[in-house]
Amino acid sequence: EDQVTQSPEALRLQEGESSSLNCSYTVSGLRGLFWYRQDPGKGPEFLFTLYSAGEEKEKERLKATLTKKESFLHITAPKPEDSATYLCAVKTSYDKVIFGPGTSLSVIP
Amino acid sequence: KAGVTQTPRYLIKTRGQQVTLSCSPISGHRSVSWYQQTPGQGLQFLFEYFSETQRNKGNFPGRFSGRQFSNSRSEMNVSTLELGDSALYLCASSYRGGARDSGANVLTFGAGSRLTVL
Repeated sequence: EDQVTQSPEALRLQEGESSSLNCSYTVSGLRGLFWYRQDPGKGPEFLFTLYSAGEEKEKERLKATLTKKESFLHITAPKPEDSATYLCAVKTSYDKVIFGPGTSLSVIP
Repeated sequence: KAGVTQTPRYLIKTRGQQVTLSCSPISGHRSVSWYQQTPGQGLQFLFEYFSETQRNKGNFPGRFSGRQFSNSRSEMNVSTLELGDSALYLCASSYRGGARDSGANVLTFGAGSRLTVL
């Protein structure tokens, strides 16, 4: 069965304290892996798409990496405005997009 | 460029009623997907429409249905509402080159419709 899991469920960081979020997947054929950010009361906002193992993408303080079984979202020197829920999603060979449960990130000033 | 528009943003219904939610995709996007988001289950896929045809369906009962119009706007309907249907319903549009385009097209989400069933 296709499955996407994320860890940790919640993460609390001090401003400037770097860390990583994990997304593990078991799917029948990977078309692409997505990272989204969701703020309270809003829809998810697209961050990155990764297509194959070894690929990396960067945007400001965020860097996403991909291996054959998992992806990491590295957050370098986070700021309070980085507080949000980060969602990982996978597009399978059956043309479905499956989301993980998300990691709720809080960055404390 | 206008984003994905969902209406209504908030609504309250009672058990047994039915509800219709609307979604206007980004101009040029012909694929519309619907998701249900709850604290316990996260984002669960409902269905996807492309060129007025349902292309994919999640594991939801038949009370959940949808349709897409020729202008790509989409509606979803939930009949005989249950307490457990309380959720944020999210619509997302994406560019799809054709019915056989299975590329990793980015989903652009609307702000959602918050449904409360009493």
